[in-house]
Amino acid sequence: EVQLEESGGGLVQPGRSLRLSCSASGFNVEYYAMSWVRQAPGKGLEWVGLIRGKKYGGTTEHAGSVGGRFAISRDDSRGIVFLQMTSLTTEDTAVYYCLRKTREFFDYWGQGTLVTVSS
Amino acid sequence: QPALTQPASVSGSPGQSITISCTGTSYDIGNYNFVSWYQQHPGKAPKLIIYDVNQRPSGTSDRLSGSKSGNTASLTISGLQSEDEAHYYCCSYAGGGFSVFGGGTKLTVL
Repeated sequence: EVQLEESGGGLVQPGRSLRLSCSASGFNVEYYAMSWVRQAPGKGLEWVGLIRGKKYGGTTEHAGSVGGRFAISRDDSRGIVFLQMTSLTTEDTAVYYCLRKTREFFDYWGQGTLVTVSS
Repeated sequence: QPALTQPASVSGSPGQSITISCTGTSYDIGNYNFVSWYQQHPGKAPKLIIYDVNQRPSGTSDRLSGSKSGNTASLTISGLQSEDEAHYYCCSYAGGGFSVFGGGTKLTVL
């Protein structure tokens, strides 16, 4: 059974950094692109970024709204995908979801982890 | 500002049909047949219900169908049921590995 479990969320002050983790199980993560999507309280979904699978070099893409501040990485040996977030602002407050990407759709989602940026 | 435009809300009575539109541009919906739809119940993670414009994953009711014309995609739900009440989000591939979501539509079953 495919499972994705995010962790690392919590309360963080503006300007600080936070690293989220996504533990993947039930499939061989190295063959898949993985994405992060966030949802601010009461708002819609926003695509944050993508990391390609090993076959495609594990390269990354990030949304313009977070580019330069957020970075996605992966450790296929442990089945973990990371989202490193720096220079956080209150506008980054959201539930962050980890997703498995199959072709051009997201077939599995984690339950999300809440990040609250506040002083 | 979401990249794709959806109506904020739609409603229908049990048994009726509703359609949710999702309008993009010639750089996303209009350029790729990679539109997907996600259903989100309150407090839950979104769930894939349609992919590649009109394909249903295993477990998706055949009351749900997707289509696309030009820069606009649509999700139709026929025979509305109370369990269909949720938020619905469209998503399109936009090239270069990028994806864009719609702002979401709240479906109310009257």
